Amino acid sequence: NAGVTQTPKFQVLKTGQSMTLQCAQDMNHNSMYWYRQDPGMGLRLIYYSASEGTTDKGEVPNGYNVSRLNKREFSLRLESAAPSQTSVYFCASRRGRVSSYEQYFGPGTRLTVT
Amino acid sequence: KQEVTQIPAALSVPEGENLVLNCSFTDSAIYNLQWFRQDPGKGLTSLLLIQSSQREQTSGRLNASLDKSSGRSTLYIAASQPGDSATYLCAVIQGAQKLVFGQGTRLTINP
Repeated sequence: NAGVTQTPKFQVLKTGQSMTLQCAQDMNHNSMYWYRQDPGMGLRLIYYSASEGTTDKGEVPNGYNVSRLNKREFSLRLESAAPSQTSVYFCASRRGRVSSYEQYFGPGTRLTVT
Repeated sequence: KQEVTQIPAALSVPEGENLVLNCSFTDSAIYNLQWFRQDPGKGLTSLLLIQSSQREQTSGRLNASLDKSSGRSTLYIAASQPGDSATYLCAVIQGAQKLVFGQGTRLTINP
């Protein structure tokens, strides 16, 4: 049981380049999330998908787009990368809307934008 | 705006000691609170989730308490081991989708 998987693990981009971070979960969870983790800022929610076919903005959505491809997969796209997007990105999933369910996290993608 | 604070930012104790990590939040209108562990360069592992109607939750050597009225939670680790060394994060759950995280406490257990 792999849980939440993310690809790639590491990435270096030049300013202005684009890329897509991939996330998949095999727990049949309905809700999926993208966070970024920065020193001194903690983890902040970028976007989330409460269920297949829906997406909503979180705390820091500017510069990002997301796609909920199906129930398993939720991707995060940087259209024109900026140095301020250098961060560690985590994908998470949860069984459903009910807040009593725990969130489960992937291993993260370390992104550097030069 | 909800703010979550964890004190201390770092803690170093000898093996075998019992210890308490603290988490405080400014808005008591929370649904639940979740404690995580993060090892260096890794993702977050869920340790305990306390429902707003509960006062505490236990898993093995870990015990987490929640006092909504005072805006506080504690994570108690009994008989600490070097393998417990990690960063511990608390997050409050507001609404069905929003987790607000503290900055974490970096714990080192010395053999």
